[in-house]
Amino acid sequence: ETGVTQTPRHLVMGMTNKKSLKCEQHLGHNAMYWYKQSAKKPLELMFVYSLEERVENNSVPSRFSPECPNSSHLFLHLHTLQPEDSALYLCASSQDFSGDSYEQYFGPGTRLTVT
Amino acid sequence: TQLLEQSPQFLSIQEGENLTVYCNSSSVFSSLQWYRQEPGEGPVLLVTVVTGGEVKKLKRLTFQFGDARKDSSLHITAAQPGDTGLYLCAGSPSSNDMRFGAGTRLTVKP
Repeated sequence: ETGVTQTPRHLVMGMTNKKSLKCEQHLGHNAMYWYKQSAKKPLELMFVYSLEERVENNSVPSRFSPECPNSSHLFLHLHTLQPEDSALYLCASSQDFSGDSYEQYFGPGTRLTVT
Repeated sequence: TQLLEQSPQFLSIQEGENLTVYCNSSSVFSSLQWYRQEPGEGPVLLVTVVTGGEVKKLKRLTFQFGDARKDSSLHITAAQPGDTGLYLCAGSPSSNDMRFGAGTRLTVKP
């Protein structure tokens, strides 16, 4: 495997379910990100991890809970979601989260539908 | 109002035509990135521009960073159907902050 992988690619869940999204990067990067991409809206940065520590949480509701057990893996735990949380969830990584350049490498995303 | 404004939002052209899309801001960026995203996939990094006035070429794609580092443009020469996608610009206006524009959705018809 190369690059950034995400599983599952598609997920349908009810509002009372608990599920997790998984991201893995094979690039030796130190920073990982979760983004939400909704129709007709810009990419929204949700969380940033640098060297396995969370450095950014952009006012994301607590029903989204990230976890970064090591620099290669990132999870997004979901519980009691709302229909408006339906979106494409993208994971990305970059060499570092510092300096002025944040060249990011994205996974293919998980298309989430909340029913 | 978004920090990075991209225009046009939508663009549909015939194969072989030239086009330019824009990314504008009132803020200064130390660098800007351009990405292309195809349906059902994540964005793919095309280029990073760093120096004001910089021009970078990637085959038929020409990227320019404004002198004041507040805007950037992407020019495609002789567009091909394979150029179809969502073009996103992104940049960091300050430390620990990363912003994306809403994108330009390009369709190139054969």
